[in-house]
Amino acid sequence: GENVEQHPSTLSVQEGDSAVIKCTYSDSASNYFPWYKQELGKRPQLIIDIRSNVGEKKDQRIAVTLNKTAKHFSLHITETQPEDSAVYFCAAREDNDMRFGAGTRLTVKP
Amino acid sequence: EAQVTQNPRYLITVTGKKLTVTCSQNMNHEYMSWYRQDPGLGLRQIYYSMNVEVTDKGDVPEGYKVSRKEKRNFPLILESPSPNQTSLYFCASSLSGGRNTEAFFGQGTRLTVV
Repeated sequence: GENVEQHPSTLSVQEGDSAVIKCTYSDSASNYFPWYKQELGKRPQLIIDIRSNVGEKKDQRIAVTLNKTAKHFSLHITETQPEDSAVYFCAAREDNDMRFGAGTRLTVKP
Repeated sequence: EAQVTQNPRYLITVTGKKLTVTCSQNMNHEYMSWYRQDPGLGLRQIYYSMNVEVTDKGDVPEGYKVSRKEKRNFPLILESPSPNQTSLYFCASSLSGGRNTEAFFGQGTRLTVV
């Protein structure tokens, strides 16, 4: 089955700096890669996703890149703000099987 | 409002006392699943359901049961809870498991087994 590894487990940046979170996956059949943000005490919510036929996708300050050959994908947040502080999860999905990474706790210091 | 609703939000119980956590979605989604969230382990899938009367095991199904008698409901049953099932549980639904669609999560159930 799929195995997703996520790094780093914690990340602290200054407000305005960029943050990058990286994930690798093992199953080459995986074709959907969502990123979820979980604020303290709340449910995970989708912030951006990418499908295997696309190499990069951007939504305002958030971007995701996918390298299918290397089986890794990354979340990039530019111009970070304190409200970006949360736990971020990557996931990889192949049909019914969606596996999540262990999560990255991002702290943005004002 | 489109949503996934779990109940209860918080539950403290004793070892061996059967309990059920309910999950309901109003989006007519075919695919529903249960996850548990533990520190450092992310979200691990317990069970999922492709449609009514179709369920299958995820990564950590031991000690859990599910049923899918109606499309909107997907309860999680712990027949004999043990302390190692103390966790934060999330139900999720998506339009279809076979397509690459967003998973919507419930608000979570924090379970403590003493």
